[in-house]
Amino acid sequence: GAVVSQHPSRVICKSGTSVKIECRSLDFQATTMFWYRQFPKQSLMLMATSNEGSKATYEQGVEKDKFLINHASLTLSTLTVTSAHPEDSSFYICSARHSWDEKLFFGSGTQLSVL
Amino acid sequence: AQSVAQPEDQVNVAEGNPLTVKCTYSVSGNPYLFWYVQYPNRGLQFLLKYITGDNLVKGSYGFEAEFNKSQTSFHLKKPSALVSDSALYFCAVRPLSGGYNKLIFGAGTRLAVHP
Repeated sequence: GAVVSQHPSRVICKSGTSVKIECRSLDFQATTMFWYRQFPKQSLMLMATSNEGSKATYEQGVEKDKFLINHASLTLSTLTVTSAHPEDSSFYICSARHSWDEKLFFGSGTQLSVL
Repeated sequence: AQSVAQPEDQVNVAEGNPLTVKCTYSVSGNPYLFWYVQYPNRGLQFLLKYITGDNLVKGSYGFEAEFNKSQTSFHLKKPSALVSDSALYFCAVRPLSGGYNKLIFGAGTRLAVHP
């Protein structure tokens, strides 16, 4: 099946620094990728939809200047958490889909801890 | 508001017994329905989906789900549970009237299968 690689799996950073998370579709071209945030024992919250070659569409309440999304190619989307603060600590998951299928393929997630 | 409900935070089952994880939804029209499984510190894995056709859908690892339009439910089932089935299960719905590709996730149900 399709594989989505997410890197890094875990990152610890100081407050005020920026962190970049990469999401790659390894064996298919993903015209659309999605970024989710998951709090402990809670469901996934869609943050934004990333379309190759265009600006990301952010969900209500998600700060686009804080969570920068770039989808420069059909196989790579990045999420940059700028000026991270402890409240940004969370599990971030990306997903991608084929242009012709309904199901999503998920990355393994990134646990971000901001000190 | 469109929503997905998983009424049980946790389901406990003895190995070898049948299991059911419940899901009901409230969306307009006939949505697409999905089940995903998440293992600790990992991304989600696709289990099965219902688009149209037979109400009983078979998926990965011996799981199946039954779509019931009148009850707006999509319960996940397995005839004989394994300890390795222990994980967090998410029901998801894609409303056809909403933004294309957007999935609404339930809060998740933790399945614990005891030897």
